[in-house]
Amino acid sequence: NAGVTQTPKFRVLKTGQSMTLLCAQDMNHEYMYWYRQDPGMGLRLIHYSVGEGTTAKGEVPDGYNVSRLKKQNFLLGLESAAPSQTSVYFCASTDDEKLFFGSGTQLSVL
Amino acid sequence: AQSVTQPDIHITVSEGASLELRCNYSYGATPYLFWYVQSPGQGLQLLLKYFSGDTLVQGIKGFEAEFKRSQSSFNLRKPSVHWSDAAEYFCAVGALEYGNKLVFGAGTILRVKS
Repeated sequence: NAGVTQTPKFRVLKTGQSMTLLCAQDMNHEYMYWYRQDPGMGLRLIHYSVGEGTTAKGEVPDGYNVSRLKKQNFLLGLESAAPSQTSVYFCASTDDEKLFFGSGTQLSVL
Repeated sequence: AQSVTQPDIHITVSEGASLELRCNYSYGATPYLFWYVQSPGQGLQLLLKYFSGDTLVQGIKGFEAEFKRSQSSFNLRKPSVHWSDAAEYFCAVGALEYGNKLVFGAGTILRVKS
């Protein structure tokens, strides 16, 4: 049972490049979330999904898009990366109140 | 809207001393409240949670937290800190009617001196 798996773990992008972060969970959870973590700001919710085929905006959605085509996967896309998107990204999933977190993706945008 | 305030950015305690990390929340109804811990380079691990009932909740690693509705607080405590407790601690508030999403505080970094 792998839990929540994020790929890649590290990535460096140039400004304007695009990329997709993949989150996969094997617990059959309905709810999935993408957070970003920045020093002194805790975790801020980017987008979330309450089920397959649904997505919703969180606190800081600008510059990101998401898709939940399959229940087990939640993709986070950056269409045109900006230095302000340098951060650590965490995916989480749940079926009740306890969130299970992935180990994070460290993204640097130069 | 939900919000969480952790007033202390850094706290340093001596090994064996007691610990209290503060958390204040803002939410219209009775929220779900959580404490998570994050070690460097790791994801977040749930320490404890409060949904309803007994306002003193016990968690893993000897931690406990007390929900005080009148103060809108959910402070985390440990009677005797170990060096391995050095980490960053996050308080969070959530609600099912908001898609179960959690709002996190900015975190408190705990340093333990020997």
